[in-house]
Amino acid sequence: RKEVEQDPGPFNVPEGATVAFNCTYSNSASQSFFWYRQDCRKEPKLLMSVYSSGNEDGRFTAQLNRASQYISLLIRDSKLSDSATYLCVVGRNFGNEKLTFGTGTRLTIIP
Amino acid sequence: NAGVTQTPKFRVLKTGQSMTLLCAQDMNHEYMYWYRQDPGMGLRLIHYSVGEGTTAKGEVPDGYNVSRLKKQNFLLGLESAAPSQTSVYFCASSFRTGPNYGYTFGSGTRLTVV
Repeated sequence: RKEVEQDPGPFNVPEGATVAFNCTYSNSASQSFFWYRQDCRKEPKLLMSVYSSGNEDGRFTAQLNRASQYISLLIRDSKLSDSATYLCVVGRNFGNEKLTFGTGTRLTIIP
Repeated sequence: NAGVTQTPKFRVLKTGQSMTLLCAQDMNHEYMYWYRQDPGMGLRLIHYSVGEGTTAKGEVPDGYNVSRLKKQNFLLGLESAAPSQTSVYFCASSFRTGPNYGYTFGSGTRLTVV
């Protein structure tokens, strides 16, 4: 079983819709969680950290469910510029050491 | 502020040739990493460093060597390139920990081994 698993998609969603991705992780001792965004042929960029209580950043909401070992990302009022691959990232320790990246979920927003 | 700079951006090697990829960061980050990204495999950690003069193996270290003689630089070497090393290589750096921490990635090196 992969340490971090994501539905690869693609998700094709009309502009303005709400879309949600889930990601599961296998190591119950994992301590840090993130969502990264990667545009085509570009480097990954940090979208947001995921905190135990859940957190929101504008149109983006991240949730963590430790009991079921999954992380979710919700995008509201989707924009064309949200088209990208979203990477779920998990760390064993608090902090940045040796993060494990999922293979990503590809999202395309349709005009 | 340049962030993380990788050189070269593209390279074609013949099987058996050697090369060094350079990563430089100007953010005073303690940690630096080398990843490779292949279709369907995601980013896989090759080697990493938690400080100047230190290196450690990641998930896929075979065929690669690294050095971190200066805090701002992290070099990845391929001693004898193989077609299986055709990939996109990303360098990243980070602080050890702290609020809103995360990796800053370089723009990548596209390597083809023929």
